[in-house]
Amino acid sequence: EAGVTQSPTHLIKTRGQQATLRCSPISGHTSVYWYQQALGLGLQFLLWYDEGEERNRGNFPPRFSGRQFPNYSSELNVNALELEDSALYLCASSLEGRGSSPLHFGNGTRLTVT
Amino acid sequence: AQKVTQAQTEISVVEKEDVTLDCVYETRDTTYYLFWYKQPPSGELVFLIRRNSFDEQNEISGRYSWNFQKSTSSFNFTITASQVVDSAVYFCALSEARNGNQFYFGTGTSLTVIP
Repeated sequence: EAGVTQSPTHLIKTRGQQATLRCSPISGHTSVYWYQQALGLGLQFLLWYDEGEERNRGNFPPRFSGRQFPNYSSELNVNALELEDSALYLCASSLEGRGSSPLHFGNGTRLTVT
Repeated sequence: AQKVTQAQTEISVVEKEDVTLDCVYETRDTTYYLFWYKQPPSGELVFLIRRNSFDEQNEISGRYSWNFQKSTSSFNFTITASQVVDSAVYFCALSEARNGNQFYFGTGTSLTVIP
């Protein structure tokens, strides 16, 4: 069974540009979560999608947005990039979006903003 | 307030030593779930274990064991006879039944096993 896949692995952008990160969940998983992990910091919750809808978002500005497609894959968009957006972005999926289902993470996309 | 506290930021042990990673959580729910994840240098978080609040039995899986104590709100993780491959950042996490979409992660403990 394929795990959670994220693309690209690395992404280099300049300040002010837009970045698009992609995630494919494990087959059968309907919930997708996005986390930001900045250097030396823990996991900061960004967004949760379930059945195509945004269910919850963390304490991030509106320039962080995303969507979930009918096949449950997801896209994270970061507009007007700032230097502090440089981080590892982790996508995770779970079976039903319930707290009892563990999150399964992808390898992440490392975003560097110069 | 932090829902999950991992007070140990970094730990170094010599290979074959035992090591315990501490996790203290805070919740008012009677139904909740606790998790441990391992993040090796490659970056991917690997799910290790889940416990629900109604099951206080300790669990052992090979060299790994987990001690869940509701009385002290702790869910500690012990690695016996540590190996270099155990070097990673370990995260403890909590999810609450009433707010099932929200996972709270601790800040992680970086474990280095010295050969």
